Amino acid sequence: DIVMTQSPATLSVSPGERATLSCRASQSVSSSLAWYQQKPGQAPRLLINGASTRATGIPARFSGSGSGTEFTLTISSLQSEDFAVYYCQQHYTWPFTFGQGTKLEIK
Amino acid sequence: QVQLQESGPGLVKPSETLSLTCTVSGGSISTYYWTWIRQPPGKGLEWIGHIYYSGSTNYNPSLKSRVTISLDTSTNQFSLKLSSVTAADTAVYYCARDHGAWYFGLWGRGTLVTVSS
Repeated sequence: DIVMTQSPATLSVSPGERATLSCRASQSVSSSLAWYQQKPGQAPRLLINGASTRATGIPARFSGSGSGTEFTLTISSLQSEDFAVYYCQQHYTWPFTFGQGTKLEIK
Repeated sequence: QVQLQESGPGLVKPSETLSLTCTVSGGSISTYYWTWIRQPPGKGLEWIGHIYYSGSTNYNPSLKSRVTISLDTSTNQFSLKLSSVTAADTAVYYCARDHGAWYFGLWGRGTLVTVSS
């Protein structure tokens, strides 16, 4: 299975600042990388697929980059509603695997 | 718009079979891939498996010997069965839709299943 590793586990950022979250794959997944946001008690919400394509309705402050084994999710100016847990997922080959998550908290 | 809703027992005894159903409303199940994903309390996400509307399936090898996913086009539902459960199978179980590109753009709200005697 492809192992997805996210860093950091917790990221403390002030509202209005930029947040950068990382995801690494144990082998190349080309550009087949998705990002999800999950708030307490809710299902995950798709933000990004194909490493850099925003899902329908996702604000432009969310952007994704990377290919191969190294990926980044950037939130350009944090809003209060952005504080949540973020997961990456490789959609290159099954079994599809997720990272362990990065908790984005208010500084 | 299309919505997904999980249903089934919230408590299952060890060694028994967990059975859940996902009802698809607002659209047809006769297209796309239909997926089950789970999340143990306080932990990350695990893909369990999926079924294509034609009935073909793929399962996570870590669970393959215990998992069956089926689909009923007449009721617009798909189902998960997980046999021989243990406490490690306690989780929130989500159903989700995948357009065939293997990411999940539509999710149910999830249902907590606890394995306990």
